[in-house]
Amino acid sequence: DTVLTQSPALAVSPGERVSISCRASEGVNSYMHWYQQKPGQQPKLLIYKASNLASGVPARFSGSGSGTDFTLTIDPVEADDTATYFCQQSWNDPYTFGAGTKLELK
Amino acid sequence: EVQLVESGGGLVQPGRSLKLSCAASGFTFSNYYMAWVRQAPKKGLEWVATISTSGSRTYYPDSVKGRFTISRDNAKSSLYLQMNSLKSEDTATYYCARQRSSEGFDYWGQGVMVTVSS
Repeated sequence: DTVLTQSPALAVSPGERVSISCRASEGVNSYMHWYQQKPGQQPKLLIYKASNLASGVPARFSGSGSGTDFTLTIDPVEADDTATYFCQQSWNDPYTFGAGTKLELK
Repeated sequence: EVQLVESGGGLVQPGRSLKLSCAASGFTFSNYYMAWVRQAPKKGLEWVATISTSGSRTYYPDSVKGRFTISRDNAKSSLYLQMNSLKSEDTATYYCARQRSSEGFDYWGQGVMVTVSS
């Protein structure tokens, strides 16, 4: 299976820029997607196919990367962005998710 | 507005069966692949099953293959997950999700809890 590795946690101040990384154990082309999950809620799609903003998602969110290395960037970070962020690949079978990066605001 | 509402969860003994349902509204259900994704308590997300628009093709990871069956009724805009031979490691919140080809899961339900325990 394709393993997606994310850093476990990050802490940033409101107004700053934050980059959340996701590294795949094998190439996934550009088929990497990013989700935001707040406590007690379902995940929400932010970015699809590495760099495409999902409908209704603020332009503060952006994605980049291809192959094995991908990044989700939030600029500027707002207090409401406190959440866990998951990457997910749909190039290799089975689909897999990263373990998530918990973003905390200072 | 797209809505996905799961039902059918609960407490079940190991080895028994359970069937989840998902009622979809706000979009043309028959035009989309659909999927189930689960999340064990305090854990990450795991894809469980995908079904094509007509229901003719289904896809599963090895962890549930042969035990779980995904199905759909396009006339009722409903998605199902039949879970057999349940194990304690199947304990999780199960989400119904709309799948846009290979562009991720763009809408998710609120989830339904399944607890497998004696």
